[in-house]
Amino acid sequence: QVQLQESGPGLVKPSETLSLTCAVSGYSISSGYYWGWIRQPPGKGLEWIGSIYHSGSTYYNPSLKSRLTISVDTSKNQFSLNLSSLTAADTAVYYCARPPLGYSSSWFSPWDYWGQGTLVTVSS
Amino acid sequence: QSALTQPASVSGSPGQSITISCTGTGSDVGGFNFVSWYQQHPGKAPKLMIYDVSNRPSGDSNRFSGSKSGNRASLTISGLQAEDEADYYCSSYTSSSILVFGGGTKLTVL
Repeated sequence: QVQLQESGPGLVKPSETLSLTCAVSGYSISSGYYWGWIRQPPGKGLEWIGSIYHSGSTYYNPSLKSRLTISVDTSKNQFSLNLSSLTAADTAVYYCARPPLGYSSSWFSPWDYWGQGTLVTVSS
Repeated sequence: QSALTQPASVSGSPGQSITISCTGTGSDVGGFNFVSWYQQHPGKAPKLMIYDVSNRPSGDSNRFSGSKSGNRASLTISGLQAEDEADYYCSSYTSSSILVFGGGTKLTVL
């Protein structure tokens, strides 16, 4: 059974960089699929952050691209997100996700397997 | 890129059918068959209900169905049940190479 688990700091100061990791179990990242990050500010809707393939190919939301880096570590079966120059607007629950079993490898895949999410608060 | 437009809320009684709309443009909903729908209960991660306009993930309830006409996609829930009360989000691929979500619809089961 595929499981995803986000980890990282719950509180980050403004202007600093957020680093989150998504550990994957039950499936090898190297086997395929684009893997995604999605976030949700408290009480608000969902926002796609970006997607990464096991080869390292990435697609980013243009609104975040200048501050965003997504990377993959196949040896640890995990992928990561770095978001710099944080402001209060980046306060959100951050989710990692994977497409449905058998779905084609496209960065704009629907997301069928989700982590539980991790709340990140940007505050001094 | 603006979010797709969804009604803020819809409601229905148990056993009834309801439809949630998701309106975009020819650059997103109308231009591609990559519309998905997610259900989200409070404090939980979203759950994929429909993808590629009308496909259901394996094992999911057939009470949920999706369709599209022009720039508007729709999610229909038949035989409404109390457990269907949740927030629902649509999403679509766009010609700007972005995945965009709707603002969400709160479904209340009366």
